[in-house]
Amino acid sequence: GAVVSQHPSRVICKSGTSVKIECRSLDFQATTMFWYRQFPKQSLMLMATSNEGSKATYEQGVEKDKFLINHASLTLSTLTVTSAHPEDSSFYICSVPTGANYGYTFGSGTRLTVV
Amino acid sequence: AQSVTQLGSHVSVSEGALVLLRCNYSSSVPPYLFWYVQYPNQGLQLLLKYTTGATLVKGINGFEAEFKKSETSFHLTKPSAHMSDAAEYFCAVRNPSSGGGADGLTFGKGTHLIIQP
Repeated sequence: GAVVSQHPSRVICKSGTSVKIECRSLDFQATTMFWYRQFPKQSLMLMATSNEGSKATYEQGVEKDKFLINHASLTLSTLTVTSAHPEDSSFYICSVPTGANYGYTFGSGTRLTVV
Repeated sequence: AQSVTQLGSHVSVSEGALVLLRCNYSSSVPPYLFWYVQYPNQGLQLLLKYTTGATLVKGINGFEAEFKKSETSFHLTKPSAHMSDAAEYFCAVRNPSSGGGADGLTFGKGTHLIIQP
């Protein structure tokens, strides 16, 4: 099956700094990747859809200038949390649609803590 | 619009007992339905999915779910719970892209399954 690698798994940063999270599809070319955010004991909320070679599509209420998405190649999408604040602390998970019949493979997630 | 309701944020069963996790959905398109499991600080693992065809779907780890259109339900069951089943379970429905791209997923709030020894 498809493998999605997400890095880093955990990151702690100071308030006001920026953090980059990488999502790599190791064995599958993905024109689309999804970024989700999960607050403690809550569900996953779709933040944005990353599109290779074009701009990302953001869900309502998600600040595109704060959460910068770059889909540089068919195997890599990055999410940069700019000027991070404690309220941005969350679990961020990427997902890649892999193949026919609505298969989705998820990364292992990134735990971001802003102090 | 798509939405998913999971009844019961916590479900506790004894080891060896039947597991039943409830999921109801609302969808403006033919629903494709999913159950995922999440262990602490990990990503999601697909248990099973329904897209078309047989309404009783069998997944990994002995889980199965039945799509009931008349009840707009997709409840997850397992005949005999094991301690290793303790985790968070999410039901999801496909969320068609408004921009013509790949469909995303809309998730329920999750059910935390507790297995009592």
